[in-house]
Amino acid sequence: GDSVTQMEGPVTLSEEAFLTINCTYTATGYPSLFWYVQYPGEGLQLLLKATKADDKGSNKGFEATYRKETTSFHLEKGSVQVSDSAVYFCALSDRDQAGTALIFGKGTTLSVSS
Amino acid sequence: DTGVSQDPRHKITKRGQNVTFRCDPISEHNRLYWYRQTLGQGPEFLTYFQNEAQLEKSRLLSDRFSAERPKGSFSTLEIQRTEQGDSAMYLCASGHSMDTEAFFGQGTRLTVV
Repeated sequence: GDSVTQMEGPVTLSEEAFLTINCTYTATGYPSLFWYVQYPGEGLQLLLKATKADDKGSNKGFEATYRKETTSFHLEKGSVQVSDSAVYFCALSDRDQAGTALIFGKGTTLSVSS
Repeated sequence: DTGVSQDPRHKITKRGQNVTFRCDPISEHNRLYWYRQTLGQGPEFLTYFQNEAQLEKSRLLSDRFSAERPKGSFSTLEIQRTEQGDSAMYLCASGHSMDTEAFFGQGTRLTVV
């Protein structure tokens, strides 16, 4: 079945460092891809999405490009801030199966220090 | 509309008791999803509704679990005869059938003692 694999955490960075969180997926159809973020004590928030190959999703300085050839959707940010400390989840939704719910990776914890 | 609302935010119950959680979705959304999240894991799909119809249930949803969305608006998730293994965060999300993304509530954290 469909699945998402994220890099293991935690990821610990200093402020202004470059961030990459790897995400790869397996899907039988042609999925939409998402990054969600969960700040401490809060619910999941949609960070960005991409719905077709080569699309780039971006928000709040974060970017991810839908790479069909490598089945990847890596999250990047050029200069992280302490406020970016959170858990990041990569997810997919298979558009070929109407009503299919999101399938999530296990999450990657990011900790940014000043 | 301020988003997806879940109630209660926290619930502590004794093993064997029944519990019920409520979710109020974003008003214009016709899809409503329930997920379960345990520590260190991503959310796992439990069930989903389109309007009032329950269209899909995960194998994770044992017969002790039941969900309803009687008028196609709010939904309830009931767990009967709770077990310690039911301790988790229960997340509700809503979305529209024309889109694949979902918007999440803050969750209900269940602790079974």
